[in-house]
Amino acid sequence: NAGVTQTPKFRVLKTGQSMTLLCAQDMNHEYMYWYRQDPGMGLRLIHYSVGEGTTAKGEVPDGYNVSRLKKQNFLLGLESAAPSQTSVYFCASSPVSGIWDTEAFFGQGTRLTVV
Amino acid sequence: GENVEQHPSTLSVQEGDSAVIKCTYSDSASNYFPWYKQELGKRPQLIIDIRSNVGEKKDQRIAVTLNKTAKHFSLHITETQPEDSAVYFCAATLNRDDKIIFGKGTRLHILP
Repeated sequence: NAGVTQTPKFRVLKTGQSMTLLCAQDMNHEYMYWYRQDPGMGLRLIHYSVGEGTTAKGEVPDGYNVSRLKKQNFLLGLESAAPSQTSVYFCASSPVSGIWDTEAFFGQGTRLTVV
Repeated sequence: GENVEQHPSTLSVQEGDSAVIKCTYSDSASNYFPWYKQELGKRPQLIIDIRSNVGEKKDQRIAVTLNKTAKHFSLHITETQPEDSAVYFCAATLNRDDKIIFGKGTRLHILP
């Protein structure tokens, strides 16, 4: 049982380059999230998805796009990378957000550096 | 939308003493409050959670309390040990927003 897997684990980009981060979960979770983690800033929600084919903006969506074409995958895209997007990115998934069960399971993180 | 404030940002306690981390939330409709622990270089993992119909929950050395009227909840760690050193995040969720919003984290240092 792999849980939540992120690809790649590390990446260095030049300013203006584009890339896609892949998140895959095998727990049949409905909800998936992308967070970025900067020192002293905690986990900030970029985008999230409540089911296949749906996406929604989080707290810091600018400069990112996402797609959820398959239930198990949630892709995060950077069209034109900027140094301000240097961060550690975490993907997470959770069962249907209900009253009793919304634990989030995290991937191992992707360390992205934009130079 | 929901906003979660967490204090302190850094906390140092002597090994064996207790540690308390506090969070406040803004949306009174929030109904689920998990706490996550993130060790250095690792992913956040759930350590304890509390739901809005409960005032207190305990699991061995950790406990969480919830005051719905004041809209705040706290994490208590007793008899702290070196392995408790980590960053702790509180979070709040509510059904209608479908989002998990995290506090900014507390870096806990256990001093020998």
